[in-house]
Amino acid sequence: DIQMTQSPSSLSASVGDRVTITCRASQSISSYLNWYQQKPGKAPKLLIYAASSLQSGVPSRFSGSGSGTDFTLTISSLQPEDFATYYCQQSYSTPDSFGQGTKLEIK
Amino acid sequence: QVQLQESGPGLVKPSQTLSLTCTVSGGSISSGSYYWSWIRQPAGKGLEWIGRIYTSGSTNYNPSLKSRVTISVDTSKNQFSLKLSSVTAADTAVYYCARVHSGSYSDAFDIWGQGTMVTVSS
Repeated sequence: DIQMTQSPSSLSASVGDRVTITCRASQSISSYLNWYQQKPGKAPKLLIYAASSLQSGVPSRFSGSGSGTDFTLTISSLQPEDFATYYCQQSYSTPDSFGQGTKLEIK
Repeated sequence: QVQLQESGPGLVKPSQTLSLTCTVSGGSISSGSYYWSWIRQPAGKGLEWIGRIYTSGSTNYNPSLKSRVTISVDTSKNQFSLKLSSVTAADTAVYYCARVHSGSYSDAFDIWGQGTMVTVSS
């Protein structure tokens, strides 16, 4: 099974900050990497698919990059509604697997 | 606009079978480059993929659950279902159904149900 490791596990930042979250796969997954945002009590929401493609309706301040084993999610200028937990997920091989999550909190 | 809604008992006794159904509305479960999955999340923890089903009926399961899981589809009702047998307290979680969009370099969960809490307790 492919293990996905996110860093950091938690992060404090301020509105307007640029934030980067990292996801590392235990083996190469090409670009089969997706990012989700989850707010308390809600289902996850797809932000980025195929490592760098922005899902329809998602603000352009979100971007993704990487391939192989190392990936990043960047939020260019944090907005109040961005404080949430973020998960990466690989769909390269079965079973699909998620990172442990990165909780983004207000400083 | 496609929407997904989970339904089923919120309380299941240990050793019994958890049964959930996901109803797809706003579109056909058989259309497009999509397939359908179940994912769960224990309280305060991360996401665990349970399995997937294609409208052909073909399935894949998480090996950690494979011996206990069955996912099925009823295209006439626009529904797919999850059965998890021999449940224990460790199966207590919010269960989500999700649509998977299959594309180039991506199979992503693009639409999710709201989730349903299932508690395993006597």
